[in-house]
This record gives sequence, structure tokens and C-alpha cells, in this order.
Amino acid sequence: NAGVTQTPKFRVLKTGQSMTLLCAQDMNHEYMYWYRQDPGMGLRLIHYSVGEGTTAKGEVPDGYNVSRLKKQNFLLGLESAAPSQTSVYFCASSWQNEQYFGPGTRLTVT
Amino acid sequence: GQQVMQIPQYQHVQEGEDFTTYCNSSTTLSNIQWYKQRPGGHPVFLIQLVKSGEVKKQKRLTFQFGEAKKNSSLHITATQTTDVGTYFCAAIKRGNKLTFGGGTRVLVKP
Repeated sequence: NAGVTQTPKFRVLKTGQSMTLLCAQDMNHEYMYWYRQDPGMGLRLIHYSVGEGTTAKGEVPDGYNVSRLKKQNFLLGLESAAPSQTSVYFCASSWQNEQYFGPGTRLTVT
Repeated sequence: GQQVMQIPQYQHVQEGEDFTTYCNSSTTLSNIQWYKQRPGGHPVFLIQLVKSGEVKKQKRLTFQFGEAKKNSSLHITATQTTDVGTYFCAAIKRGNKLTFGGGTRVLVKP
């Protein structure tokens, strides 16, 4: 099992550009999450999903959109990137409360 | 909203010494989890505490949940260089959502 994978690992965007981060899990988990982690800080929840076809806002959803068309995939979109969105993005899936994290995507917006 | 505070933010430890990191909440928690993130890595689940006063051990790590379920601690004995990383506590909210503390970054002096 690959667990939770994230694509891409690194990306540099210019202000105003758009992109999609892909998260995939092969553990058949219902719950999936997107977090961002900024230097010296904990993880903040952006959006989450409790099952295929459902999404909900977390604590910092502004500027992001998500989709969960297939159970194993959870996509995070940035429509118009801003420097404030420079961060490390982690995807996670969960089973019985324990969350399994992907390796992260380091995004820089210039 | 629910806030989880961790202290200290940084912990410099001499190899072989013990230390404790604390997690505090202003509200009663249903349960609490601890994660470890190695430098450049992703958070990895360590343990979940559910019961008031619960104590769990994993080798040199001792986790405790307070009697009032408003605080938790992680105690590491005989610190080793492999203990380097950031330790996060996280409180579980409805929908399996986690609220993370800011983390304690542990640096070990050989």
C-alpha cells in the first residue's frame, strides 16, 4: 500500500496563477482533509470531506476550493494564487480518528 | 472556537535527559491525540487518549490525559537524537476534524 500520496512535491507559482494539488489514498478511508502548515505553526484545516461527493469548510477555507469526485482522491484548487498562500500543504485521510498524512507539497507564490 | 495551546514552543534537551511538553485547552476535550513530525517530514500519529486520567506508555514516551480532560502531557525519558522533531497535540472535533496545537519543537544536544 502506498498510503497517502500527494502531487506535486514542489511548485512555484506567480501571483494570480491557478493550480490543483492532488491527494490520493489507497486505504479506502471515508474522511479526507487538506491542511496548511506555516513556519513555526501547527497545521490549520482548509477543507475536509466525510465521503465521496461531499466537502466542507475548515478553519481557513478562503482562496481554496476542493472536490471529492472519487473516494480515493481529494483535490485542492487555488484559483488565483496569492503570496499569503505560500506554505506546505498536507493531505490526510482517517480511519477511526487516526489521521494518515501524505508527504506534503511545498508551494511558493511569488 | 476550540483552542489548544502547547508549551513550551521550543525545548533544547541534553541527550540522556528527560523533558515534558504540555497541551492545554480552555474547554473539556472528548479525546486528544499526539503526533510527531520529523524535520522535513509529515506528522505521524503516536497515540490517542480518551479516558480521564488515562496514562499510556510507548517505550520511553509517557502520555497522560488530565483528570478534567482539559490538558495532556508527553514525557520523554532519556532523550535520544532520534527524538528530534516537533510534537503536536490535537483535539478531535465533530466530523473527525482535528484542532492542532502549535507544537513543541525538540532539539537534542549530543
